[in-house]
Amino acid sequence: GAVVSQHPSRVICKSGTSVKIECRSLDFQATTMFWYRQFPKQSLMLMATSNEGSKATYEQGVEKDKFLINHASLTLSTLTVTSAHPEDSSFYICSARRTEISNQPQHFGDGTRLSIL
Amino acid sequence: KQEVTQIPAALSVPEGENLVLNCSFTDSAIYNLQWFRQDPGKGLTSLLLIQSSQREQTSGRLNASLDKSSGRSTLYIAASQPGDSATYLCAMNTGFQKLVFGTGTRLLVSP
Repeated sequence: GAVVSQHPSRVICKSGTSVKIECRSLDFQATTMFWYRQFPKQSLMLMATSNEGSKATYEQGVEKDKFLINHASLTLSTLTVTSAHPEDSSFYICSARRTEISNQPQHFGDGTRLSIL
Repeated sequence: KQEVTQIPAALSVPEGENLVLNCSFTDSAIYNLQWFRQDPGKGLTSLLLIQSSQREQTSGRLNASLDKSSGRSTLYIAASQPGDSATYLCAMNTGFQKLVFGTGTRLLVSP
């Protein structure tokens, strides 16, 4: 069964709306979670690394004020797309790794398809 | 710049064939490499993880190999089935669990 839950699976909203996406590790603790973005027919691009209890680390070219990340607990990270515009429409996917076990694979959520009208 | 390339970009085979998907990476200081499956509009399912100290991993009909010196990994699928149709992604981890993904191979297995 799924070990990482992502919600919502799909969002359609008007331009200017802020959208929050949740990523939960279901049966394990994750001090670090990752947020990726995938445009149609392209691969996943890492946006930011979410660190529990501290600030997220953003990849080059990703606006931290645009994509707000909060990792307030060991099982939950949220990504908020602020004042979303059509160019923000994409497939957003989170991942997490079991903190206490090294060299384990990352587990991914089912993704959130964001469509900004 | 760390890059991961997958060849071919698309592959169509009849059911029952054995097939090989290729993944090339530029950074030899690889920590591990992971193969994923992605169905249309869905997230990723982890298939196999190969540590830098390993040469291959097997799970059922899947076998993945890793050659750090040449910067290559292959995913071998035996006796392909229509249910194997999906996009297959490889991703290298150079440390700190940050994954760099390849461009993917879209596989179609026809009945």
